[in-house]
Amino acid sequence: QMQLHESGPGLVRPSQTLSLTCTVSGGSISSGNYYWNWIRQPAGKGLEWIGRTYATGHANSKPSLESRVTVSADTTKNQFSLRLTSVTAADTAVYYCARGVPFADYFDYWGRGTLVTVSS
Amino acid sequence: QSALTQPPSVSGSPGQSVTISCIGSSSDVGEYDRVSWFQQPPGTAPKLMIYEVNKRPSGVHVRFSGSKSGNTASLTISGLQAEDEADYYCSSYTSSNTLVFGGGTKLTVL
Repeated sequence: QMQLHESGPGLVRPSQTLSLTCTVSGGSISSGNYYWNWIRQPAGKGLEWIGRTYATGHANSKPSLESRVTVSADTTKNQFSLRLTSVTAADTAVYYCARGVPFADYFDYWGRGTLVTVSS
Repeated sequence: QSALTQPPSVSGSPGQSVTISCIGSSSDVGEYDRVSWFQQPPGTAPKLMIYEVNKRPSGVHVRFSGSKSGNTASLTISGLQAEDEADYYCSSYTSSNTLVFGGGTKLTVL
């Protein structure tokens, strides 16, 4: 059974960079043509797709976040990562990583989520 | 890229059926059969309930069904049970090669 687990600092200062890692177990991120996503959810609000990467390194993100987001994969560690620069309080949220299925474009495996708070 | 539109809340009594709508555009829901639905009880990660408009993953009850007409997708839950109470989200692939979610719908079982 595939499992995903998010890790990273729970507190980030405003204007700094948020960095999270998703560790995948029970399968290789290099197998198949799956893509690997970051999704966030502010408290009491809805889900927001942030971006994705393939194991090949091809990645893209939500246009309104594109200038601040980098999603990348490390196949040697079976992990993928999120970097979000110049954070503000509006970036405070639970961040989820999830596997995406190509051509059908749904998320079948999710991590449990990690809360990141942006505050001084 | 605007979020898909869902009603903020729906409710129903046990045994009844409820339908949650997800309104998109000709650039997402209307263009592609790549609509999925997720169930999220409080404090938990979303769970896939429907994919490719009307397909159920293994383990999801047949009481959950999906459909689409034009730019609007729908999730129907029949034989409502107390355990169905949760937030529900739709998502779709878009012509910009991105993914987009709906704003979410809170289902209350009366």
